[in-house]
Amino acid sequence: QVQLQESGPGLVKPSQTLSLTCIVSGGSISSDIYYWNWIRQPAGKGLEWIGRIYDSVNTTYNPSLESRVAISVDTSKNQFSLTLRSVTAADTAVYYCASLGTYSSWGQGTLVTVSS
Amino acid sequence: QTVVTQEPSLTVSPGGTVTLTCASSTGAVTSSYYPNWFQQKPGQAPTALIYSTSNKYSWTPARFSGSLLGGKAALTLSGVQPEDEAEYYCLLYYGGARGVFGTGTKVTVL
Repeated sequence: QVQLQESGPGLVKPSQTLSLTCIVSGGSISSDIYYWNWIRQPAGKGLEWIGRIYDSVNTTYNPSLESRVAISVDTSKNQFSLTLRSVTAADTAVYYCASLGTYSSWGQGTLVTVSS
Repeated sequence: QTVVTQEPSLTVSPGGTVTLTCASSTGAVTSSYYPNWFQQKPGQAPTALIYSTSNKYSWTPARFSGSLLGGKAALTLSGVQPEDEAEYYCLLYYGGARGVFGTGTKVTVL
């Protein structure tokens, strides 16, 4: 089973860009058996699917975030990343990276707060 | 906007059986939505229980089972244990790729 670990700044200012990385161990980021996802959860609320990347280049995003979000893979570092532009307080949440489907594993999550 | 609806809360006695459902605002849920189910306990990351309607992981307890029921995805817990008290989320895929989580069901074992 792959292991995932999120990393990135815990505080981002409004209107700036949120960038997170998910380091993958125990499996290859470029393998086509994995679907790499980003998911977030505001405090006390439910899960929100942000998007996923498959086979290193095929991406699908939540329509409500699609204009601001990008997910990419860095095969040299065996990791994938999330970029969310023009953040507001509504983007404050715990962000999880996860492999979903047949091969499922979640990171522990990282809290990102949007505040000046 | 697509909405996936679950029961807000359910209560079950230890040793009892409870069924959680997952409905789509677009119509009947079929296997083409590849229903997934997750369990989340307070302060923890979610744990996957079921994928593609009814497939279990090696770590999924045998008392959990997934199915389609009356146009919805369903998760049944049989022989409920106190440690099953948690929030449960379903995830549906639209067009085979775009995921939408359900609203979540809080299961209380009492």
